[in-house]
Amino acid sequence: AQSVTQPDIHITVSEGASLELRCNYSYGATPYLFWYVQSPGQGLQLLLKYFSGDTLVQGIKGFEAEFKRSQSSFNLRKPSVHWSDAAEYFCAIYTGTASKLTFGTGTRLQVTL
Amino acid sequence: NAGVTQTPKFQVLKTGQSMTLQCAQDMNHNSMYWYRQDPGMGLRLIYYSASEGTTDKGEVPNGYNVSRLNKREFSLRLESAAPSQTSVYFCASTLTARGVNTEAFFGQGTRLTVV
Repeated sequence: AQSVTQPDIHITVSEGASLELRCNYSYGATPYLFWYVQSPGQGLQLLLKYFSGDTLVQGIKGFEAEFKRSQSSFNLRKPSVHWSDAAEYFCAIYTGTASKLTFGTGTRLQVTL
Repeated sequence: NAGVTQTPKFQVLKTGQSMTLQCAQDMNHNSMYWYRQDPGMGLRLIYYSASEGTTDKGEVPNGYNVSRLNKREFSLRLESAAPSQTSVYFCASTLTARGVNTEAFFGQGTRLTVV
């Protein structure tokens, strides 16, 4: 069965510091992978997605993620975090054959000034 | 272009009452989903529908029923609400075409409290 794991429940970084949020997936073939962000009381916004091709994908708000098949990972990165990046981040996997979209449990990012 | 529209936005139910959450999308998507979001548990899939006329159980289907009324609409019904169903519910949709699918588009959520 497909699944995603986000091992970090809560991360705190200083404004201007770099950020990496971890996501590991379990699926036999190449999955479709996504990162979403949710601000408090809001819906989910897509940051970026990986379907195939270049393993380094660029997203909105200066985020990027790298697909590493050998490590079954799709980690989200940002070189310099802004206070407005404080939110909850979700990794998700979609396997086309099952038409099922599964989310990780999320990582809450706190940014200190 | 409205995207994914959920109604209502807020609801308070008494234990044992029933209600239906409505979801509609205007993007001609074929797949639709219902999730619940609880603190520390992320989004858990309740039911999904890969196409009109089909529905499948997700991780947490107990206590819920769904109807894919047509391609646009996918409703979630609580027949006898329980306090454990207090949550924020999200509807989402995606398009699958020739083996490729788009990202999921989400509604704004329904905050349900069962007392």
